[in-house]
Amino acid sequence: DAKTTQPPSMDCAEGRAANLPCNHSTISGNEYVYWYRQIHSQGPQYIIHGLKNNETNEMASLIITEDRKSSTLILPHATLRDTAVYYCIVRPPNSGYSTLTFGKGTMLLVSP
Amino acid sequence: GAVVSQHPSRVICKSGTSVKIECRSLDFQATTMFWYRQFPKQSLMLMATSNEGSKATYEQGVEKDKFLINHASLTLSTLTVTSAHPEDSSFYICSASGAGGMNIQYFGAGTRLSVL
Repeated sequence: DAKTTQPPSMDCAEGRAANLPCNHSTISGNEYVYWYRQIHSQGPQYIIHGLKNNETNEMASLIITEDRKSSTLILPHATLRDTAVYYCIVRPPNSGYSTLTFGKGTMLLVSP
Repeated sequence: GAVVSQHPSRVICKSGTSVKIECRSLDFQATTMFWYRQFPKQSLMLMATSNEGSKATYEQGVEKDKFLINHASLTLSTLTVTSAHPEDSSFYICSASGAGGMNIQYFGAGTRLSVL
């Protein structure tokens, strides 16, 4: 899996948008970008994934740059419950039989 | 999304006893399940990969005789920590991936093991 780089921590005010960046400059042409998060003392939770088009679901939006070397996860209206470690992971298609490699992620702290 | 149920959520046991943790995929068939361990303030570390009906593949440094994994059906995998010691105290998490190489892995809520 391609290596990713994320800031170790970020702060966000409740109700504001949280924009979490991820650099993946060595991403291959067929690799997808996945985002997971882990709330304290819970298992990781899948958020969203994409290849090259921007994606949106009920949890978040994923913006991938045209050169695919970086992406941003957007939580449009952060709540206190969004405080968690967010992981950006890149991996090829049909790799469900192989493990996810978790880096250190970004610790997002949402404050009142 | 798909649901993975992990049980128990917390267990406290005496040193020397064995502990079994169950991981079930509730609404899909999981051909592959993964077991992770996470120590405080660290990221998840893969322990082993289990495929239904075959022996698990363990990561380097993980003792297969100590951490017994059984993936007897497409919806259930178990991890048994045998003769647990205080250094085995950790947060154990399973994840499941469906048939066809589905890329999205769904995780259980984790099991907090405390060995006294």
